[in-house]
Amino acid sequence: AQRVTQPEKLLSVFKGAPVELKCNYSYSGSPELFWYVQYSRQRLQLLLRHISRESIKGFTADLNKGETSFHLKKPFAQEEDSAMYYCALRGQGAQKLVFGQGTRLTINP
Amino acid sequence: NAGVTQTPKFQVLKTGQSMTLQCAQDMNHNSMYWYRQDPGMGLRLIYYSASEGTTDKGEVPNGYNVSRLNKREFSLRLESAAPSQTSVYFCASSEWGSGNTEAFFGQGTRLTVV
Repeated sequence: AQRVTQPEKLLSVFKGAPVELKCNYSYSGSPELFWYVQYSRQRLQLLLRHISRESIKGFTADLNKGETSFHLKKPFAQEEDSAMYYCALRGQGAQKLVFGQGTRLTINP
Repeated sequence: NAGVTQTPKFQVLKTGQSMTLQCAQDMNHNSMYWYRQDPGMGLRLIYYSASEGTTDKGEVPNGYNVSRLNKREFSLRLESAAPSQTSVYFCASSEWGSGNTEAFFGQGTRLTVV
């Protein structure tokens, strides 16, 4: 079974502070993992995916297969980072895309 | 390029009424999805369709039916709406492989059942 867990529903940090949004997954094979973001009054959009190993808007995420985690990190938070963040998983060769519960990130000035 | 378009954007139903949420994509994607978004529950998959003519249940299919009318359109029907179905509904589409590893989302339908 595919399962994604985001343990923090709410996360609040000050501008300029480091941010880490946690994501743990359960899947027996090799998953594809994603972070999606939803800004206020906007549709969900892809932030980054593990296979690209990219940094988007200063965010990075590393897939740790040993700990089955895909935490999202940013060294210096900005106010415009305030949004809802979702971790998602697609199983190997699967069509289904499963999401976690989401973390609402608030960056305080 | 419209991407994924959902109609309506807002709807209020009375308990027991029926309605169909429409979704269309213009990206020639095979896979389409319906999710509901609830506070604290995240995005939960209702139904998905891997290709035209096929549909499969997701995590929370009870109370819903779907139709993959053609490659472009994937509709979600509530036959007898209940207050527990008050939610924001999102449609998404994707074409996994072929260099694409991303799902594209509609703008959402906010449904209230009273």
